[in-house]
Amino acid sequence: EADIYQTPRYLVIGTGKKITLECSQTMGHDKMYWYQQDPGMELHLIHYSYGVNSTEKGDLSSESTVSRIRTEHFPLTLESARPSHTSQYLCASSGGQFHTDTQYFGPGTRLTVL
Amino acid sequence: GQNIDQPTEMTATEGAIVQINCTYQTSGFNGLFWYQQHAGEAPTFLSYNVLDGLEEKGRFSSFLSRSKGYSYLLLKELQMKDSASYLCAVMDSNYQLIWGAGTKLIIKP
Repeated sequence: EADIYQTPRYLVIGTGKKITLECSQTMGHDKMYWYQQDPGMELHLIHYSYGVNSTEKGDLSSESTVSRIRTEHFPLTLESARPSHTSQYLCASSGGQFHTDTQYFGPGTRLTVL
Repeated sequence: GQNIDQPTEMTATEGAIVQINCTYQTSGFNGLFWYQQHAGEAPTFLSYNVLDGLEEKGRFSSFLSRSKGYSYLLLKELQMKDSASYLCAVMDSNYQLIWGAGTKLIIKP
């Protein structure tokens, strides 16, 4: 079954640690996205990619980096975690030839930085 | 600046009808999306409108008026499982989704 996966689902980590949040999709979608969402608040775009070796920063780069070496994989790395990074991180992907194609979301990673 | 407005919270009764409004001001318009998000879960796609008018999909319908910068999501025959947040998002001229903060819908028996 085609799907989008995120690991870990929950992570509690100390300040200053380097972490990587994983996102994989089996739908063959070219476009992938990372969003940050605080409770009761809107989603903010952190990074996006329109294909392999293509990455762009969104409005909230949040001192993070991404890579897109394979179509199905789009990991997000925080070089030095801070308490302000505590949030829900959502990965999404969309396929088709149009930028208006629907985005489908993974289950999310809830990150707590102590 | 770009802005999406929707009510923070609404309450409705099981079996009833509820309308969730969304107004927007964005740089360009390439369509409006509605997503459902249950607490602690990821958003799931409900509808997409790019032309004016009403789109019906089962118990859910979505309406768009581009000239008024306005959309609504209509939920009929409400069920307890419809208790969730409903997110309005507009795709701007750069094909980026601008999201509202969501409307938390509480269904009472």
